[in-house]
Amino acid sequence: GAGVSQSPSNKVTEKGKDVELRCDPISGHTALYWYRQRLGQGLEFLIYFQGNSAPDKSGLPSDRFSAERTGESVSTLTIQRTQQEDSAVYLCASSLLGTSGSYEQYFGPGTRLTVT
Amino acid sequence: QKEVEQNSGPLSVPEGAIASLNCTYSDRVSQSFFWYRQYSGKSPELIMSIYSNGDKEDGRFTAQLNKASQYVSLLIRDSQPSDSATYLCAVRARNTGGFKTIFGAGTRLFVKA
Repeated sequence: GAGVSQSPSNKVTEKGKDVELRCDPISGHTALYWYRQRLGQGLEFLIYFQGNSAPDKSGLPSDRFSAERTGESVSTLTIQRTQQEDSAVYLCASSLLGTSGSYEQYFGPGTRLTVT
Repeated sequence: QKEVEQNSGPLSVPEGAIASLNCTYSDRVSQSFFWYRQYSGKSPELIMSIYSNGDKEDGRFTAQLNKASQYVSLLIRDSQPSDSATYLCAVRARNTGGFKTIFGAGTRLFVKA
């Protein structure tokens, strides 16, 4: 079946502009996660959705970052007034929740964001 | 102490050898453990999950879990150059308000032809 998809795959933007990154989870996956990965670094958790609520926003680095999710479907991560330190790959993952063995996260291909 | 710790490597093994990747975690209540492989420039790919003490085998991969000692390992038998990647350990652990999957920083594996 279809995996997690993300768009755009690459985004180059000027410092100070706003960007929107999109994630389409695997159909039926109730949980959705956003991570950031800077070059050569590990995964940095940003936010987690269960359905369309976000019980854990603890990883959002500043109030310039926000995310929303429509039902158990598409999620959008918005970065306002982008800064050069926002340059990274933004990864989305989805998973089932609530039953044994269902916490496995499946990742999308990521969006590479470059802020010039 | 980090919640999930891995040796950053690089771990270098010759082709055909067994590669052993280790991970320790701090939360004794953790119940779910995962290994991901990440090739350079690609996103993480789930290799295996393990939930019970002991070994779990899938092809050339074996995950080993020891909850008493709080470690989980991944063995790769008959290592191939195509196994060269960063391997991420992930642990579902307690967090404020519930549980959360915590990723280690990863171990870089290099398999020499």
